[in-house]
Amino acid sequence: AQKVTQAQTEISVVEKEDVTLDCVYETRDTTYYLFWYKQPPSGELVFLIRRNSFDEQNEISGRYSWNFQKSTSSFNFTITASQVVDSAVYFCALSEANDYKLSFGAGTTVTVRA
Amino acid sequence: NAGVTQTPKFRVLKTGQSMTLLCAQDMNHEYMYWYRQDPGMGLRLIHYSVGEGTTAKGEVPDGYNVSRLKKQNFLLGLESAAPSQTSVYFCASSSSDRPGKGNTIYFGEGSWLTVV
Repeated sequence: AQKVTQAQTEISVVEKEDVTLDCVYETRDTTYYLFWYKQPPSGELVFLIRRNSFDEQNEISGRYSWNFQKSTSSFNFTITASQVVDSAVYFCALSEANDYKLSFGAGTTVTVRA
Repeated sequence: NAGVTQTPKFRVLKTGQSMTLLCAQDMNHEYMYWYRQDPGMGLRLIHYSVGEGTTAKGEVPDGYNVSRLKKQNFLLGLESAAPSQTSVYFCASSSSDRPGKGNTIYFGEGSWLTVV
């Protein structure tokens, strides 16, 4: 069974603060993919990153960075120097090698105040 | 680029009414999906299709039917709407293989459905 846990329901920060979103997953497969999606107030789901289970290298994209640690089954997401436009719901998702679906976490709502 | 387009965006239904949500994608993707989003539960897969003429059940298929008569379209039907089907519905598509092989799923903008 797949399971993705995003323990933080809501996070509120002041602009320019860093914010880290936690994602812990469960799977019995050795091959799997992890994803992060952003859902801004307008409602659409925006793909941010995909990471496979064999690649534990951390990734940085502008102000976004991801820390994948198989030892703790975590795939955490950090926004550096947050901006108001980062206010959104962020979803972590998991897919196993032979599965057709993404299993989503419950999402973390990030509010960045000016 | 249109990507994945859903219609309608908003709809209010009375209990027992039927309706169809239309999803269209212009990326020539084989795989298409219908998810529903409920507060505190993330997104859950209703039905999916791995190609034209095929459909399969996801995690929460009860009360819904789907059809994929054309590759670019995936229809989600509610035969007799219930208040428990009040939700935001997302259509999605991906290219030639399953997300477990690393292909990204692209989502539409969502359809807000309220059943009263």
